[in-house]
Amino acid sequence: GNSVTQMEGPVTLSEEAFLTINCTYTATGYPSLFWYVQYPGEGLQLLLKATKADDKGSNKGFEATYRKETTSFHLEKGSVQVSDSAVYFCALRFLGRGSTLGRLYFGRGTQLTVWP
Amino acid sequence: NAGVTQTPKFRVLKTGQSMTLLCAQDMNHEYMYWYRQDPGMGLRLIHYSVGEGTTAKGEVPDGYNVSRLKKQNFLLGLESAAPSQTSVYFCASSYTALNTEAFFGQGTRLTVV
Repeated sequence: GNSVTQMEGPVTLSEEAFLTINCTYTATGYPSLFWYVQYPGEGLQLLLKATKADDKGSNKGFEATYRKETTSFHLEKGSVQVSDSAVYFCALRFLGRGSTLGRLYFGRGTQLTVWP
Repeated sequence: NAGVTQTPKFRVLKTGQSMTLLCAQDMNHEYMYWYRQDPGMGLRLIHYSVGEGTTAKGEVPDGYNVSRLKKQNFLLGLESAAPSQTSVYFCASSYTALNTEAFFGQGTRLTVV
């Protein structure tokens, strides 16, 4: 089946610390991979994505590389800020026509808290 | 641009009551989804729709019904609410399965007492 496993939180860091949130997946096919972010009281927003092996998605200082050999898509940021405090979700999605395609499979989410 | 709009944002129900959650999108998207979010569980798919007039079950469909009478609206119904349905509900939409990004609404926090 298809599933996403991400590291359990919560993760607590000081401002300017390095962040890694691990994400691995199992998939019956060749999915696209995503990181979504949920700020307090809000819906999910797309943070970054990668659609094929070795692609690197990046946005707002965050990066993640699609590693097919290790089925991973770890999220990293070199220097976190207080404003990065949120819940981060790793997800996969298959692209293509058909009634069973297009849904997102989510990990359980990782709560990040950054202290000043 | 409104994007994906969910109503209501908050609701408290008594066990056995019914209600309908409305999701509206103004992006002419074909695909629409209802997820529920529970602590430590991530988001789980309840039902989805690949176009007007079509719906399909997700991974946790029991106790819910949906309808997609108009392309822009996707309704989620609870016929007889149970405490286990206390959750945050998110609607999402995407143009097609060929488009990589899904857009999410702000969520509806439902409490069943």
